[in-house]
Amino acid sequence: DVKVTQSSRYLVKRTGEKVFLECVQDMDHENMFWYRQDPGLGLRLIYFSYDVKMKEKGDIPEGYSVSREKKERFSLILESASTNQTSMYLCASSLSGGASGYTFGSGTRLTVV
Amino acid sequence: EDQVTQSPEALRLQEGESSSLNCSYTVSGLRGLFWYRQDPGKGPEFLFTLYSAGEEKEKERLKATLTKKESFLHITAPKPEDSATYLCAVQGGANSKLTFGKGITLSVRP
Repeated sequence: DVKVTQSSRYLVKRTGEKVFLECVQDMDHENMFWYRQDPGLGLRLIYFSYDVKMKEKGDIPEGYSVSREKKERFSLILESASTNQTSMYLCASSLSGGASGYTFGSGTRLTVV
Repeated sequence: EDQVTQSPEALRLQEGESSSLNCSYTVSGLRGLFWYRQDPGKGPEFLFTLYSAGEEKEKERLKATLTKKESFLHITAPKPEDSATYLCAVQGGANSKLTFGKGITLSVRP
């Protein structure tokens, strides 16, 4: 069964901390995505990557960065966590072209206090 | 810019009461329309992909249909376990990014 695995289901961090959210896929997908999901706002794209070492900004990149050193791993970094970054974070992957849709991870519920 | 609007925002049904969820979209060159199911606290789970107007797909009590402007997710004789949020997304042109709607929260009462 193909999988996208996010390292943590729940995470509590303090304001100002540097936070790493890890995502690994075992499907040899070229494309990987990071979203955040908030009530009433739906899924919002933070960053995405079409290849190793590549990254592109999504709709809400401010306060975030990403790293993709290997094809299967895509990390989201909160440089200095703030309370308004409390959210559900979802990682997804897809084949190049994406016509087969995305496969999502189970999500990380991040709370910044 | 691709856009997806889902309606209603929330739907409450009695068990066995059939209904439809709507997804209206505007996209330049539809490559695919996707339906996902999301349970609380979990990631979206893929249901269907539709590629062209007139196409239909079925899975258990769910049936997805597609026209040039909208897609419907028909739920026949729903059960409480069908309660979830249903997301619609479109992919347009050569861009691999999906544009998602905000979702429809379905509650089915026993």
